[in-house]
Amino acid sequence: DTEVTQTPKHLVMGMTNKKSLKCEQHMGHRAMYWYKQKAKKPPELMFVYSYEKLSINESVPSRFSPECPNSSLLNLHLHALQPEDSALYLCASSQGVTNTEAFFGQGTRLTVV
Amino acid sequence: EDQVTQSPEALRLQEGESSSLNCSYTVSGLRGLFWYRQDPGKGPEFLFTLYSAGEEKEKERLKATLTKKESFLHITAPKPEDSATYLCAVRRGANNLFFGTGTRLTVIP
Repeated sequence: DTEVTQTPKHLVMGMTNKKSLKCEQHMGHRAMYWYKQKAKKPPELMFVYSYEKLSINESVPSRFSPECPNSSLLNLHLHALQPEDSALYLCASSQGVTNTEAFFGQGTRLTVV
Repeated sequence: EDQVTQSPEALRLQEGESSSLNCSYTVSGLRGLFWYRQDPGKGPEFLFTLYSAGEEKEKERLKATLTKKESFLHITAPKPEDSATYLCAVRRGANNLFFGTGTRLTVIP
C-alpha cells in the first residue's frame, strides 16, 4: 500500500480565516513533505519533516505553519493567506530521508478569496 | 547551481508513435533520479527510481534510462491514456526532492 491521504480535497478560505490541511500515511515512512504547486508549474518544496522533526523550511512565509503530531500525520496550518497563495498543496512521504522515492497524496486545491 | 531541465516542454504524438522525453541534470551529490506521472489536478504518481549511470527500468510502455548527465523516458507505442505531464525529480543532499519543469504529453487517437 503506497497511499498518502490528504483532506480536504478542496478548500475555499477568506484572507482572515484560519484553516488546516491534513495528511496521513500508514507506510511507516520517516520523512514527510509539503509541496506547493501552481498551475502548469512543477511542485515546489515547502517543508520537510524527518523523524517528526522539521529539517527543511524553504523560506516559507510564517502564515504557513507545519506540524507533525506523530510519525503518521502531517498538518499545515494556514492563517492570513493572500490570493496568490491559491494553489494545489501536496503532501508526500518517503521511507528514507536521503535516496528513496516519495509517494504523493492527491492534494488539496486551495482557493483564497 | 543545481539544475534539472526537461525537454520538450510539450509533446503531441499520434497513438502508436514512439518517442522519448529528456531530463538533463547538474546536481552535486546526486542521490537518485525519479520519474513521476501527473494527471491534471492530481498528485504525482511514482513511476521509476534510477541510481547509477547505465541503469534501466521498464513498466508497460515506459522505459527509463540514466547517464551521468541525463535521463530518458522512452514511450513505446503510446495510447491516449498515457497523456499526462511527466516529471523528473532528483535528490540533492538529505531530504530534498527537487523537480524539473515537466513535459506535457498528449497522445492523439
